[in-house]
Amino acid sequence: EVQLVQSGAEVKKPGESLKISCKGSGYNFTNYWIGWVRQMPGKGLEWMGIIYPDDSDTRYRPSFQGQVTISADKSISTAYLQWSGLKASDTAMYYCAFGGNGYKFFFEYWGQGTLVTVSS
Amino acid sequence: EIVLTQSPGTLSLSPGERATLSCKASQSVTSSYLAWYQQKPGQAPRLLIYDTSSRATGIPDRFSGSGSGTDFTLTISRLEPEDFAVYYCQQYGSSLTFGGGTKVEIK
Repeated sequence: EVQLVQSGAEVKKPGESLKISCKGSGYNFTNYWIGWVRQMPGKGLEWMGIIYPDDSDTRYRPSFQGQVTISADKSISTAYLQWSGLKASDTAMYYCAFGGNGYKFFFEYWGQGTLVTVSS
Repeated sequence: EIVLTQSPGTLSLSPGERATLSCKASQSVTSSYLAWYQQKPGQAPRLLIYDTSSRATGIPDRFSGSGSGTDFTLTISRLEPEDFAVYYCQQYGSSLTFGGGTKVEIK
């Protein structure tokens, strides 16, 4: 069974750092681009960036470039999303997802989401 | 960045009715690389359609996608109670963007 299992909910203070994870199983993790998607409370889906785990080729949406870091460890089939200085506006649900072959960046499989709350 | 505009924002329909959702792109979507997702409260999105008109695994045939260039449509032929949700389009022909969503609610 194909699965993406994300790390648990986090509550952080502004300025703190955070790294959340997404572990893939049931498929060849290295051969599919994995994307990260943000959903702020009551809002729509926003693509943040995408990584190819085999060589860590990473693409960021311009508005997220420099704000987050996406990485992957293919030896443990896990992708990561990290912040070095959280803001209250980073409060959101974050999903990892993968799907299409090659450069078809649609998402058939989704993680369950990681809720990040940033509050003083 | 290609901007996707979905309309209407909310669609109020009854079970059994036909739903037609629109997704308009600010520029032509390369190779008709457009997908549709369904999201219910508290759940991750679910892929319905990719490559404009190909149904994802396990998606009922009451869901269909069409379009080309800048105009795309998701049609639900007869709404079932479980179809009331928010629907998003997404293009992946030039980088990647999502539309703002259409909520299909029970009338």
